[in-house]
Amino acid sequence: GAVVSQHPSWVICKSGTSVKIECRSLDFQATTMFWYRQFPKQSLMLMATSNEGSKATYEQGVEKDKFLINHASLTLSTLTVTSAHPEDSSFYICSARPQGTGYEQYFGPGTRLTVT
Amino acid sequence: GEDVEQSLFLSVREGDSSVINCTYTDSSSTYLYWYKQEPGAGLQLLTYIFSNMDMKQDQRLTVLLNKKDKHLSLRIADTQTGDSAIYFCAESMSTLTFGKGTMLLVSP
Repeated sequence: GAVVSQHPSWVICKSGTSVKIECRSLDFQATTMFWYRQFPKQSLMLMATSNEGSKATYEQGVEKDKFLINHASLTLSTLTVTSAHPEDSSFYICSARPQGTGYEQYFGPGTRLTVT
Repeated sequence: GEDVEQSLFLSVREGDSSVINCTYTDSSSTYLYWYKQEPGAGLQLLTYIFSNMDMKQDQRLTVLLNKKDKHLSLRIADTQTGDSAIYFCAESMSTLTFGKGTMLLVSP
């Protein structure tokens, strides 16, 4: 149980285009989902917290107009990187917190984004 | 602010025990976690401990928490080559704060 999927697992796009990454909780409902960014050999940096049906809360320094987050249902959150640039290339990981728990958090397998 | 520190690298031989250490600064942390990340993959929750516990054991994994010193450790007994990965310590109130990760290399 507690499986989180991400799609796509990797994507290459050209500068200036937008890319959407999906995060799904497959066997549980998640009121809260989190989006992280990880640079090579570094820790995970929390980008934003999204709650189903409400606006995402972004961490300081993360541009909300560039990284659009939509948590449309209890099993799906999307991250759209708008007008991507090479410096947006990174490993993006989502996680989901099961409804009714305050401490469990399960991670997706990550999405490798490369912007050329 | 919140800060989680880990040593960056640990090398052990197969069959030995591995001990990965972590220190944190937020004394109000409710839960502390250990995650495992294999190359190119997401994070796998290994175990977690509630802040009012001193120890938790789960098969080959033993977590020790010294709340006074804000020190958390993960011991892996009978370490196998498949345990080679990066191990992240994390502490949580409402969101997770991760350490930079400890790369564990297990040699045959």
